[in-house]
Amino acid sequence: GAVVSQHPSWVICKSGTSVKIECRSLDFQATTMFWYRQFPKQSLMLMATSNEGSKATYEQGVEKDKFLINHASLTLSTLTVTSAHPEDSSFYICSARVPLSYEQYFGPGTRLTVT
Amino acid sequence: GDSVTQMEGPVTLSEEAFLTINCTYTATGYPSLFWYVQYPGEGLQLLLKATKADDKGSNKGFEATYRKETTSFHLEKGSVQVSDSAVYFCALTISSGSARQLTFGSGTQLTVLP
Repeated sequence: GAVVSQHPSWVICKSGTSVKIECRSLDFQATTMFWYRQFPKQSLMLMATSNEGSKATYEQGVEKDKFLINHASLTLSTLTVTSAHPEDSSFYICSARVPLSYEQYFGPGTRLTVT
Repeated sequence: GDSVTQMEGPVTLSEEAFLTINCTYTATGYPSLFWYVQYPGEGLQLLLKATKADDKGSNKGFEATYRKETTSFHLEKGSVQVSDSAVYFCALTISSGSARQLTFGSGTQLTVLP
């Protein structure tokens, strides 16, 4: 199946700093990528839909100025957590949708810890 | 709106036991249905899928049948192994939606004991 990578796999940052997470589709072009947040022992919460060449669509309750999403190419989407706070600590997972298909492939996730 | 309801866990079984994880859904359109598996510290992997009524998805000994009449997509395996220990998520997507977002169930933690 298709491969999606995320970088970094884990990151620790200080409160008030910004962190960028990359999501890449390695062997296919993805016009649509998704960003999820997962709390311990809970399901995935969709944060936003990232569309190549246009603005991301954020889910209700997700602050777009805090979670900046850029999808500048068909193989790369980035999520930047700005002015991070301890409550932003979580597991962030991206997925990429195969064009003209319902299938999504997930990245391995990024563990963010804000101290 | 669309939703997925999963059997609450955690589920603990002995090796070689039979597994069933229940999943039911509500959807405004005609959904495609999926089971994803998440191993500790990892992202999600597609386990199996079904795109229309009465389709049976299968992979690695796991099976699930798309039952439109009962709006269900229960996951089954005849003989579980320790390596099957993971969290299992049922999910759906509406094929007519432009973004085709996935809606996930709450997940079911499975632990298989040797």
